[in-house]
Amino acid sequence: DADVTQTPRNRITKTGKRIMLECSQTKGHDRMYWYRQDPGLGLRLIYYSFDVKDINKGEISDGYSVSRQAQAKFSLSLESAIPNQTALYFCATSDGHREKLFFGSGTQLSVL
Amino acid sequence: GESVGLHLPTLSVQEGDNSIINCAYSNSASDYFIWYKQESGKGPQFIIDIRSNMDKRQGQRVTVLLNKTVKHLSLQIAATQPGDSAVYFCAEKISGNEKLTFGTGTRLTIIP
Repeated sequence: DADVTQTPRNRITKTGKRIMLECSQTKGHDRMYWYRQDPGLGLRLIYYSFDVKDINKGEISDGYSVSRQAQAKFSLSLESAIPNQTALYFCATSDGHREKLFFGSGTQLSVL
Repeated sequence: GESVGLHLPTLSVQEGDNSIINCAYSNSASDYFIWYKQESGKGPQFIIDIRSNMDKRQGQRVTVLLNKTVKHLSLQIAATQPGDSAVYFCAEKISGNEKLTFGTGTRLTIIP
């Protein structure tokens, strides 16, 4: 969905490096989410935010942090990347009235 | 064609035939269910949703059936087209809880 933009689309990094993945949206939605997708495991929720400065842990938040400094932006950081964080990462938004999520195109992260 | 998402992750269907993709969900307390379609290189895209107070809901060429007794969800796609080729995910949720639990997905391949 072009209204939810993730950068970069692909990233290769080394173990121990700090990485930031960016997400921006033009939908005007209050709620933003970060999911991780691994083969055979479906998507799992890392963090979510209902508003600026609001941060909530998902089911697999260890090793990750997020920042919501503006309504339209939600960034995900890996403070010290490790190989098992190699995955496809998706940002999503919702308006909170319906539970439908709108996903970005994803960021493929490889940690060597 | 018919599949069980967790035990048969691929489904091949002749173009023009109807497709049935099945999903066994895990939590009897879940009251909201969604089907997403994920095409190669893209994020999941919402197809249709259903609440637990319904057992059937229809959209354009798609129908979702919910059987709460056996915790089973199915997605029927009528007159399957080449553009329907994708991985299809079911997801379940408890209203008020932000955690959306995704299944592992079923890959649908359309045979010309």
